Amino acid sequence: SQQGEEDPQALSIQEGENATMNCSYKTSINNLQWYRQNSGRGLVHLILIRSNEREKHSGRLRVTLDTSKKSSSLLITASRAADTASYFCATDSWGKLIFGQGTELSVKP
Amino acid sequence: GAGVSQSPRYKVAKRGQDVALRCDPISGHVSLFWYQQALGQGPEFLTYFQNEAQLDKSGLPSDRFFAERPEGSVSTLKIQRTQQEDSAVYLCASSSRGQGAGGLLRNEQFFGPGTRLTVL
Repeated sequence: SQQGEEDPQALSIQEGENATMNCSYKTSINNLQWYRQNSGRGLVHLILIRSNEREKHSGRLRVTLDTSKKSSSLLITASRAADTASYFCATDSWGKLIFGQGTELSVKP
Repeated sequence: GAGVSQSPRYKVAKRGQDVALRCDPISGHVSLFWYQQALGQGPEFLTYFQNEAQLDKSGLPSDRFFAERPEGSVSTLKIQRTQQEDSAVYLCASSSRGQGAGGLLRNEQFFGPGTRLTVL
C-alpha cells in the first residue's frame, strides 16, 4: 500500500515559473527522498532529507520536511521544459522505500 | 558508468505462463530491491536482499511470486502462472548500503529502467 498522498496530482506551469509539490506520509521515518520519473530515464533519485533536517537545497531544488505534520514539499525554481516528469516522494523505513502516488508536472515552453 | 540493468525490457505473457525477470545491480552494491509499479501509481515494494539473503519479502503479493539472488549480485524475480493483474512495470534498485548500525540512514537507491510485463 502507498505511504501517503501527494498534492497536486497534476501541475501545469510555464517555463521559468516555480513548481511546488507536497507530500504527506503516515509513519515514522528515517529519511524522505524525492524521485523523478520520465519515460526516457526511468526513476532517478533527486534529493534525500534526513528526519532530523528541516530544509535542504540542491541546485534548483529545495526540499522541506516537517516531521510534526508528517509532510514534505519539493520546490523546483525557474522550471524548464526538461523538468516535465512525474515526481514521487518516498519515505525510507529501514531500507524499504514507500512511495506516494506522484505529481505529474508539465512545464510548457 | 554502468547503472542497474534489467532484462527483458518488455515481456508479453499469456495468462498462466511463468516469467522470469532479471536484474543486474551496480557492481558491489550490497542491497537489492524489487518494486512493482502499476499504471499511474507509485512503485510498491516487493522484496529486499542484502547480499544473498532475502531479508524482507513482505510485499510479494502471493506465493506465485518468488525472488532469488543466489550469489549476492544478479537477482531474478519469477512469477508463476501469471494473471492479468500481474501486468505492471517491475523495477529493480540497488544500494551500496545495508542494514546495520547507521547503515540505513542514507539509502539512496539506484533504479533500473524496469521490465514492462503485459499479461494477456
